[in-house]
Amino acid sequence: DSGVTQTPKHLITATGQRVTLRCSPRSGDLSVYWYQQSLDQGLQFLIQYYNGEERAKGNILERFSAQQFPDLHSELNLSSLELGDSALYFCASSLETGSTEAFFGQGTRLTVV
Amino acid sequence: LAKTTQPISMDSYEGQEVNITCSHNNIATNDYITWYQQFPSQGPRFIIQGYKTKVTNEVASLFIPADRKSSTLSLPRVSLSDTAVYYCLVARYSSASKIIFGSGTRLSIRP
Repeated sequence: DSGVTQTPKHLITATGQRVTLRCSPRSGDLSVYWYQQSLDQGLQFLIQYYNGEERAKGNILERFSAQQFPDLHSELNLSSLELGDSALYFCASSLETGSTEAFFGQGTRLTVV
Repeated sequence: LAKTTQPISMDSYEGQEVNITCSHNNIATNDYITWYQQFPSQGPRFIIQGYKTKVTNEVASLFIPADRKSSTLSLPRVSLSDTAVYYCLVARYSSASKIIFGSGTRLSIRP
């Protein structure tokens, strides 16, 4: 158990819909990362937050957004969903913003039908 | 960010030592080398991290030559449960941290 909690574990939704994925980082970790993993694309870095502020951005679509709340949990919002958004979405946390030792959650499997 | 190159796949047998090499020719002075392990449908798990020479923990060893243009992850006496994808990544401590994963090495352990 990494200490990172992601909910829900599975999500099935229709195209055009909007969903919110939630992540609770390890106790004490200030930095949260979001990744998307689909079969053909590997692990894609989406975005990083540190203590409530956005710190780094990767290949995150404009239809996607994220935020980190004062209690340090984070949410990833995916809107206008397309079939191609079906993937595993992982959240990771680390103590420092610059640390490369991150702890990953078990992921949310999103299926868009 | 330094690009990394590692074998797409490797096979080995239980009880053997497995060495996975990663090339990172453009590594910068402030970059650290980090390895992760990922099982199917699970999040990656941090294995080991190093800057130079050799680092060892209870799971693996990491060998980094003086020029730091490559690194080798060594898994002693592997078992079937070591079958996974192993990612080598190079990143630096900074205020804006992108932990970028490459394609990884798919390691298959046979009985």
